[in-house]
Amino acid sequence: DQQVKQNSPSLSVQEGRISILNCDYTNSMFDYFLWYKKYPAEGPTFLISISSIKDKNEDGRFTVFLNKSAKHLSLHIVPSQPGDSAVYFCAASGLGGFGNEKLTFGTGTRLTIIP
Amino acid sequence: NAGVTQTPKFQVLKTGQSMTLQCAQDMNHNSMYWYRQDPGMGLRLIYYSASEGTTDKGEVPNGYNVSRLNKREFSLRLESAAPSQTSVYFCASSGRGDTEAFFGQGTRLTVV
Repeated sequence: DQQVKQNSPSLSVQEGRISILNCDYTNSMFDYFLWYKKYPAEGPTFLISISSIKDKNEDGRFTVFLNKSAKHLSLHIVPSQPGDSAVYFCAASGLGGFGNEKLTFGTGTRLTIIP
Repeated sequence: NAGVTQTPKFQVLKTGQSMTLQCAQDMNHNSMYWYRQDPGMGLRLIYYSASEGTTDKGEVPNGYNVSRLNKREFSLRLESAAPSQTSVYFCASSGRGDTEAFFGQGTRLTVV
């Protein structure tokens, strides 16, 4: 039972354009959502997060949108750069965020930025 | 500042052999986690430890044991390795009030 789903295994985007990565979840108890970025042969690194009390969080070129009624979140990267090529994981946690609560991850989307 | 350190980085085991994956963090974090990453499956939680002296099962605990040796160290043991345990294993940690986890570089394990 996949509680966090990333339905696009891969995505290719031209350099300079917008990249949009999508994530859906089924568990209504999730109230904190994170995006991680992973390069080959490295561990995932935290990118950006959003609490369920917000519908948007922005950090430089990265913006995460949350639609609670649709149980959907998306990550926008504008403008996309070659260094953004990586696997992106969506993750979720319950009860106020990660600390003593474990993260549930999606299956990942491989983003390729075309120069 | 090393963060989360995992050893070894690579390992090949024969079916039935045992081994322990080591993880240490130097961020004074309370919580530590072991995940495995498989193609098309994302990262799945094997075991976690919310504090020193406590451990709990995650989504895929079968075939594994863990030890929270002290606040810094959290080890994962495979008592009798099976080909289905071929995977990349990640250790992670987080502190009280943190909203994200910090990951190690991973251990690529192959069981033949």
